[in-house]
Amino acid sequence: ETGVTQSPTHLIKTRGQQVTLRCSSQSGHNTVSWYQQALGQGPQFIFQYYREEENGRGNFPPRFSGLQFPNYSSELNVNALELDDSALYLCASYSAASSSGANVLTFGAGSRLTVL
Amino acid sequence: GQNIDQPTEMTATEGAIVQINCTYQTSGFNGLFWYQQHAGEAPTFLSYNVLDGLEEKGRFSSFLSRSKGYSYLLLKELQMKDSASYLCAGLDSNYQLIWGAGTKLIIKP
Repeated sequence: ETGVTQSPTHLIKTRGQQVTLRCSSQSGHNTVSWYQQALGQGPQFIFQYYREEENGRGNFPPRFSGLQFPNYSSELNVNALELDDSALYLCASYSAASSSGANVLTFGAGSRLTVL
Repeated sequence: GQNIDQPTEMTATEGAIVQINCTYQTSGFNGLFWYQQHAGEAPTFLSYNVLDGLEEKGRFSSFLSRSKGYSYLLLKELQMKDSASYLCAGLDSNYQLIWGAGTKLIIKP
């Protein structure tokens, strides 16, 4: 149990559809990041939210959008799905500092999206 | 540009030692992370280095040389459960993580 929960764990959509992925993190974790991880690749940063505002974005088109709510939950929305959007989508928040002093990014188990 | 390079795949024998190398180029530098990811699961934190030298944590150690833009993860007394992908990630000046593609480690009996 990492303290970051994602839903759904798996889902299948068809090209052109829209999808909403959800994430909840522990109270006090007011920064949430979303990543896309294609098979055999490292995570690619989509965007980050801090206190309900987007404060960082990777190289993803506007059809990738997000929300963060006051209760620390978050959503990733993807419109007009394309085949290449098939990937594992990871939500992450910063947990307490490690023994080395760094804030450690803690991931949820991910939502595996398949676009047909 | 920013880049993290690590080998795609490595094979080692149960009980042995393996070293996974990572070179990085980031805009500024605020530390280097190693994560472990089993197939179908989320990455889990292994280590963080921000100063030069070796950080030891049980069977796993991580080394950093900032002047060379180089890190390695050392795994000792390999166990079959260590079969996983190992991700190297650099923290840039904006505190964004730049990820490598991961090294798939295969452990053979």
